[in-house]
Amino acid sequence: QITLRESGPTLVKPTQTLTLTCSCSGFSLTSSGVGVGWIRQPPGKALEWLGLIYWDDDKRYNSSLRSRLTITKDTSRDQVVLTLTNVAPVDTATYYCAHRGMGDAFDVWGQGTLVAVSS
Amino acid sequence: DIQLTQSPSSLAASVGDSVTITCRASQTVSVYLHWYQQKPGRAPKLLIFAATTLEPGVPSRFSATGSGTYFTLSIRSLQPEDFASYFCQQTYSASSFGQGTQVEMK
Repeated sequence: QITLRESGPTLVKPTQTLTLTCSCSGFSLTSSGVGVGWIRQPPGKALEWLGLIYWDDDKRYNSSLRSRLTITKDTSRDQVVLTLTNVAPVDTATYYCAHRGMGDAFDVWGQGTLVAVSS
Repeated sequence: DIQLTQSPSSLAASVGDSVTITCRASQTVSVYLHWYQQKPGRAPKLLIFAATTLEPGVPSRFSATGSGTYFTLSIRSLQPEDFASYFCQQTYSASSFGQGTQVEMK
């Protein structure tokens, strides 16, 4: 059974760096075809795709966040890490990680973690 | 970047009704178009992938069509548990989501 769980701070101050961890189980981050993505959703608003990391360490990023966003993986810990620098109140959102399935869609999602950016 | 536009933004329907939601892409996404359902306070749930393929375990009252730039999601005979928000997503070029359609009870 594939599961993902996000963890990290619930409150971050403006200009700081946000680091979130996605702990994965039920699959290997190095298996061919595997991908883990990050998606966020500001309160009451739409989903926003942030980026994706593949089994071979290839990465894709949302062009509007590319300068601030980094996604890495730690295969020894089965974790995928999102780093977002210089955060602002507009980055307040629920952040989700999700497993990329065979059909290229996100077939399994974490429960999400709400992060507020405020001084 | 590929933009996805969903319509309507919201709709009101009754149990037993059939509804259709559309998703238009600003350029072709081939069949790399997926549909999700989201309920308040919950993570999205995959309904349809690759434009028309029903995710295992999803009821057959959900169906979808489309390719290129125009896609539809249909729900036949709405059930109480179907009142939720629905999002389309393209994975043809990087990825992006539509702005969502809220299906409310009339």
